[in-house]
Amino acid sequence: ILNVEQSPQSLHVQEGDSTNFTCSFPSSNFYALHWYRWETAKSPEALFVMTLNGDEKKKGRISATLNTKEGYSYLYIKGSQPEDSATYLCAPQTGANNLFFGTGTRLTVIP
Amino acid sequence: NAGVTQTPKFRILKIGQSMTLQCTQDMNHNYMYWYRQDPGMGLKLIYYSVGAGITDKGEVPNGYNVSRSTTEDFPLRLELAAPSQTSVYFCASTLTSGTSGGRRILFEQFFGPGTRLTVL
Repeated sequence: ILNVEQSPQSLHVQEGDSTNFTCSFPSSNFYALHWYRWETAKSPEALFVMTLNGDEKKKGRISATLNTKEGYSYLYIKGSQPEDSATYLCAPQTGANNLFFGTGTRLTVIP
Repeated sequence: NAGVTQTPKFRILKIGQSMTLQCTQDMNHNYMYWYRQDPGMGLKLIYYSVGAGITDKGEVPNGYNVSRSTTEDFPLRLELAAPSQTSVYFCASTLTSGTSGGRRILFEQFFGPGTRLTVL
């Protein structure tokens, strides 16, 4: 069992606010770090797959950074919109074949 | 492409019954996974397969069995249903990349729509 921590567990922000969440994971035996977005009553969808220390990825208003030496990744959302409301999961890959999912940060954007 | 499909969408079982959850993907992905989602617990890996004929246990395999006779299909079998198996089950698939720093990297996982199972 891998110790993957996501914080905060949940948060509410006003429409237009920018926000960020943290994913902490063991830095040893690191392969990659995945971020997924999971809307209620739907299936998880991939946002980013990050592999290198210092990696930065961006998709629209969402971006992520990775620090493999200290074992953390940040996900940023700029100018949150109600459609950004979802649970955001991080999942490190620390072996050849599978991911280990965190419990997620549940974001609610209030119009 | 249909992507990853799962059947059934919903099922209610009695304790001790058995059933098979079906999962099919049409993306020619070599890796396939079964997860269960329990409230507040995230996704837990039950079993996975790295190709036809090869399966391996994940974090929570007890009470389940799998097989992978083709690249497309990865069914999950519950032999003696128990209330603790009440959950939402997701199947996922992916490809593996080349290597980064000498390590094989998993591409993004594609998830099916899920099967909601209740055991009473």
